[in-house]
Amino acid sequence: NAGVTQTPKFQVLKTGQSMTLQCAQDMNHNSMYWYRQDPGMGLRLIYYSASEGTTDKGEVPNGYNVSRLNKREFSLRLESAAPSQTSVYFCASSGGWFSNQPQHFGDGTRLSIL
Amino acid sequence: AQKITQTQPGMFVQEKEAVTLDCTYDTSDQSYGLFWYKQPSSGEMIFLIYQGSYDEQNATEGRYSLNFQKARKSANLVISASQLGDSAMYFCAMREYNNDMRFGAGTRLTVKP
Repeated sequence: NAGVTQTPKFQVLKTGQSMTLQCAQDMNHNSMYWYRQDPGMGLRLIYYSASEGTTDKGEVPNGYNVSRLNKREFSLRLESAAPSQTSVYFCASSGGWFSNQPQHFGDGTRLSIL
Repeated sequence: AQKITQTQPGMFVQEKEAVTLDCTYDTSDQSYGLFWYKQPSSGEMIFLIYQGSYDEQNATEGRYSLNFQKARKSANLVISASQLGDSAMYFCAMREYNNDMRFGAGTRLTVKP
């Protein structure tokens, strides 16, 4: 049982390049999330999808877009990468959009923007 | 706005001893959930324990327990009988009803042999 799978695990981009981070979950969860983690800080929410067909901005959405492709998959796109977007990106999923639902995380994508 | 504070950037504990990691939170909501996650050096985020704001008993999961003091708005994680494998970053998080989850800055725990 894979849980939450993120691809790629590592990526180096040049400023201005675009890329899409992929995330898939096999737990039949309704809600999915994208976070970024910077040194010395906890995770910050970029975008989320409370249920299939909906997406909403989180705390730090600027410079990103998302697509909830189906119930399993939720992708994060950087249209024009900037050095400030160098970070570790985590995808997560939870059973539903309720406060008692723990989120389960993928292993993360380490992204460096040169 | 939700706010999570972890005041201990780093903690040390001797193997087999217990350790408490502090977490305080700020919310005006009555309904919320509190979570603790472990992040080993390999980088993954591992869910450890959950406490609901209406739960009267402190949550326990194996060697992990959550010391929930609602009036003080604190949700400290207690790890009993520490093991070398407990060395990791630990994050406290809170989620108000119908709101997104917010994380503290984390505490780095080092278990000494």
